[in-house]
Amino acid sequence: GENVEQHPSTLSVQEGDSAVIKCTYSDSASNYFPWYKQELGKRPQLIIDIRSNVGEKKDQRIAVTLNKTAKHFSLHITETQPEDSAVYFCAASRDYGQNFVFGPGTRLSVLP
Amino acid sequence: DVKVTQSSRYLVKRTGEKVFLECVQDMDHENMFWYRQDPGLGLRLIYFSYDVKMKEKGDIPEGYSVSREKKERFSLILESASTNQTSMYLCASSLLLGANHNEQFFGPGTRLTVL
Repeated sequence: GENVEQHPSTLSVQEGDSAVIKCTYSDSASNYFPWYKQELGKRPQLIIDIRSNVGEKKDQRIAVTLNKTAKHFSLHITETQPEDSAVYFCAASRDYGQNFVFGPGTRLSVLP
Repeated sequence: DVKVTQSSRYLVKRTGEKVFLECVQDMDHENMFWYRQDPGLGLRLIYFSYDVKMKEKGDIPEGYSVSREKKERFSLILESASTNQTSMYLCASSLLLGANHNEQFFGPGTRLTVL
């Protein structure tokens, strides 16, 4: 079955700096890769996703890149702000999102 | 507004008790999921359902069962709770496969403690 690894497990950045979180997956048939953000005490919410026919997708300060050959994808957050502090989960799915396998999560802290 | 609700935010049970966790969604979604969330392990899928009265095992189904008698409701059952089932339980729902947007919408979670 699919296995998703995520690094780093914790990340601290200064406000205004960029943050990058990387995920690798094992199933070459995976074709949908969402990212969820979970603020402290709240439910996970989708922030961006990418399908396998696209190499990069951007939405304001966040972007996701996908390298299908290497089987990894990354989340990039630019100009980080304190409200970006949260746990971020990547996920992979082989059927365009019917069923996900989540990574273990990255706790991002943005320091003022 | 998208809504997934769970019956309890906090629950304390004793070892051996039967535990019911209820999840309701009002978005007419076909898919519903139960995850448990543990530090360092992320979200692990317990069971999911694509339709009423249908269920599929996820990655960690042992010790759990589910019921989906109505489209909007998905129940997780711990037949005999054990201390290693102490965790945060999250329910989610999404549209059926083939939809352009397959976002999973999560409930607020139930923190279950088994003593």
